[in-house]
Amino acid sequence: GQNIDQPTEMTATEGAIVQINCTYQTSGFNGLFWYQQHAGEAPTFLSYNVLDGLEEKGRFSSFLSRSKGYSYLLLKELQMKDSASYLCAVRDGGGQFYFGTGTSLTVIP
Amino acid sequence: NAGVTQTPKFQVLKTGQSMTLQCAQDMNHEYMSWYRQDPGMGLRLIHYSVGAGITDQGEVPNGYNVSRSTTEDFPLRLLSAAPSQTSVYFCASSYSRTPGMERALGEQFFGPGTRLTVL
Repeated sequence: GQNIDQPTEMTATEGAIVQINCTYQTSGFNGLFWYQQHAGEAPTFLSYNVLDGLEEKGRFSSFLSRSKGYSYLLLKELQMKDSASYLCAVRDGGGQFYFGTGTSLTVIP
Repeated sequence: NAGVTQTPKFQVLKTGQSMTLQCAQDMNHEYMSWYRQDPGMGLRLIHYSVGAGITDQGEVPNGYNVSRSTTEDFPLRLLSAAPSQTSVYFCASSYSRTPGMERALGEQFFGPGTRLTVL
């Protein structure tokens, strides 16, 4: 079956850097996605990796190692508005998306 | 573009009632899906569709039906509501994987959600 693991909660300080890890086991692989979800809202797309390596988008970067079934999301220069849940999702060989349970990030002053 | 729209935003049902959650997208996406989100469980796939006339089951399909008569619409039907179906429901859409364009198309766009309570 499909298995996606990420930490449940993390806390970091405003202005700092935080790394949220995700490990996965799926039947086939068609990309790894990171979403941000604020409380009471829908998930919004942050980043997408389909090849090994680092993808950078402003303050957010995402890394993928397909051989290790591992990804991380790196958030730099943390702001209070970055307090949210971060969801790791994998698209399998059949095109289905599978989500982890999410990492709740709290940014403190 | 309106993106992905869902109606209603909130709904309260009694056990045994049936209802349909509406979902529509105007981005010409082939792939559409329904998820439910429960505390501590993450997003779980209920049903999905890779194009008009084609639907398939996800992780938690029991108690739900779907149909895809057009590219734009993907309604979710609760046949006989149960308290276990109390949840937040999200509809999402994306382009399907296109050979040779793996890096280009893949992100899902989510609707605003429907908060359903079954008493």
